[in-house]
Amino acid sequence: DAGVTQSPTHLIKTRGQQVTLRCSPKSGHDTVSWYQQALGQGPQFIFQYYEEEERQRGNFPDRFSGHQFPNYSSELNVNALLLGDSALYLCASSFRDSTGELFFGEGSRLTVL
Amino acid sequence: AQRVTQPEKLLSVFKGAPVELKCNYSYSGSPELFWYVQYSRQRLQLLLRHISRESIKGFTADLNKGETSFHLKKPFAQEEDSAMYYCALRGGGFKTIFGAGTRLFVKA
Repeated sequence: DAGVTQSPTHLIKTRGQQVTLRCSPKSGHDTVSWYQQALGQGPQFIFQYYEEEERQRGNFPDRFSGHQFPNYSSELNVNALLLGDSALYLCASSFRDSTGELFFGEGSRLTVL
Repeated sequence: AQRVTQPEKLLSVFKGAPVELKCNYSYSGSPELFWYVQYSRQRLQLLLRHISRESIKGFTADLNKGETSFHLKKPFAQEEDSAMYYCALRGGGFKTIFGAGTRLFVKA
């Protein structure tokens, strides 16, 4: 089991562009949460997807959107990128919140120039 | 509002010394609390959760509802304990929120 996998691992964009990040959950998991981690900060909750629906959202603008596919994989989309969007984006999977434990990917590091 | 506060960004101790990483939370209900750890070049992973009342790698954490704290403790620190530690809370709803983290450095 490869665990949670994310792609790409690194990417560079310019202000105003759009980006799509991808996540495959751990085998057997059906819930995906996305986090933004700025340098020196803890992970900040963006949103969570379950049964292909966004079921909870953190304090992030509508520029941040997502999707979950029938195979439980997920995408995070960010439109109109700002310099402040530069961060490590973490995906975490779980199984219907049965234990609350989150399994994390290694993250996608986004740099906005 | 839910909040997790880790007052120390960096904690440095000698090998064999006791260690305590502080975590305070703000939540009006009954929270679920966790400690996650990130070792060098590894992904973030669960260390322990309060509901399990277990000791993992010699670490324990007790939920103190009166003081709204969930401090992580180990009586004798080892060099391999050097890592980034995050306290996390899951309250009402489905999200888990994290503190800013404490870097533990265990000196030989």
